[in-house]
Amino acid sequence: DVKVTQSSRYLVKRTGEKVFLECVQDMDHENMFWYRQDPGLGLRLIYFSYDVKMKEKGDIPEGYSVSREKKERFSLILESASTNQTSMYLCASSLTLAYNEQFFGPGTRLTVL
Amino acid sequence: RKEVEQDPGPFNVPEGATVAFNCTYSNSASQSFFWYRQDCRKEPKLLMSVYSSGNEDGRFTAQLNRASQYISLLIRDSKLSDSATYLCAVVSNSGYALNFGKGTSLLVTP
Repeated sequence: DVKVTQSSRYLVKRTGEKVFLECVQDMDHENMFWYRQDPGLGLRLIYFSYDVKMKEKGDIPEGYSVSREKKERFSLILESASTNQTSMYLCASSLTLAYNEQFFGPGTRLTVL
Repeated sequence: RKEVEQDPGPFNVPEGATVAFNCTYSNSASQSFFWYRQDCRKEPKLLMSVYSSGNEDGRFTAQLNRASQYISLLIRDSKLSDSATYLCAVVSNSGYALNFGKGTSLLVTP
């Protein structure tokens, strides 16, 4: 079974703090994704990566950056957290371009005060 | 037109009933489609992949209608444990990412 893990289930940060969310997958998947999910807005793609050190902006990249130094790890960085970034953050991975079922981690519920 | 649209529901059905959800998509070039199930405050879990005209897995059947650009999910003999939100996903133009619908809420009652 694919396993995607995220560093924290719950996180509380203050406005202006730099926040790191870590995601690790153990199935040698090429592609990794970061989403946020908010009531009424559904899942929205922030960034994705199709290879080590490669990244692409999703639909809502503003205020976020990402890092993928190793194939199994994809980090989401909030450079200066704001209250409107309070959300559920979900990481996902998929095997290749041809097999693009995505498998999700358990999510990190981030609250920015 | 939004990329992927679903009726949010909620669909309230009694145990044992058959229920169907539809999902419409705008990208006619999409080749891959998925249904996910999401329980409250949990992550989405892959339920079914739909690559050709349809797929069946036990009580669950997914069908694809390319001409009308929709996919459907049929659940037969509903169980209480089927209560969840069902998300439809369609491969985006990038080929890597998925566009998700906002989900359809299902509540199966005794």
